Amino acid sequence: NAGVTQTPKFQVLKTGQSMTLQCAQDMNHNSMYWYRQDPGMGLRLIYYSASEGTTDKGEVPNGYNVSRLNKREFSLRLESAAPSQTSVYFCASSTRQGTDTQYFGPGTRLTVL
Amino acid sequence: KNEVEQSPQNLTAQEGEFITINCSYSVGISALHWLQQHPGGGIVSLFMLSSGKKKHGRLIATINIQEKHSSLHITASHPRDSAVYICAVSDYGGSQGNLIFGKGTKLSVKP
Repeated sequence: NAGVTQTPKFQVLKTGQSMTLQCAQDMNHNSMYWYRQDPGMGLRLIYYSASEGTTDKGEVPNGYNVSRLNKREFSLRLESAAPSQTSVYFCASSTRQGTDTQYFGPGTRLTVL
Repeated sequence: KNEVEQSPQNLTAQEGEFITINCSYSVGISALHWLQQHPGGGIVSLFMLSSGKKKHGRLIATINIQEKHSSLHITASHPRDSAVYICAVSDYGGSQGNLIFGKGTKLSVKP
C-alpha cells in the first residue's frame, strides 16, 4: 500500500500561471482533505470531500478549486497563482470525516514568484 | 484567540529526559489528535483520543475533557524524537467535524 501520494513534490510558478496538485489514496477512504501549511501557522483546511461526489470549502478556499475525480483521487487547482499561495500543501484522507485518524501525503512545496 | 493552543512553542532536551508537551482548546470536541511532523516534512498520526490515556511505546497521551487540556509525554527521549508535535481537535460545532490544528511544538533532543 502506498497510502496517500501527492504529485508533484516541488513546483515553482510565476504569478498568474495555473497548476493542478494531484492526490490519490489506496486505503478505500471516504473522506479527503487539502491543507496548506505556512510558517508560524497551524495547518489550515482549504477544501474537503466528505465522500465521493461531494466537496466543501474549508477555512481558506479563496483562489482554489477542487475535484473529487473518484473515490481514490482528489485534486487541487490554482487557476491564477499568486505569491500569497506560496506554501506547503498536504493532502490527507480518512475513513470518515471528523473523528477518524487522518493519513497525510508527503506534501508539495509550491513557490509562486 | 486561537482555538487550539500548544506550549511550549520550542523545547530543547537532553537525551534521556522526560518531555511534556501541552495542548489546551476552547471548543467542544469529539476527539483530540496528536501528530508528529518529521524534519523532512512528513506528518503521521500518533494518537487519537476522546478520554483518558493512551500509550504507544515511549509515548503517552492524556486528555482531561473537563479542563479542555491534553498532554503528550515522551519518556527516555532520544534524538530521533526530534520533530514538530502537533495537537488537533475535531470540533463538531463550527467546523463540521474537521480538524482544527495548533501551531505545533518544535522538539529538539540533543545527544
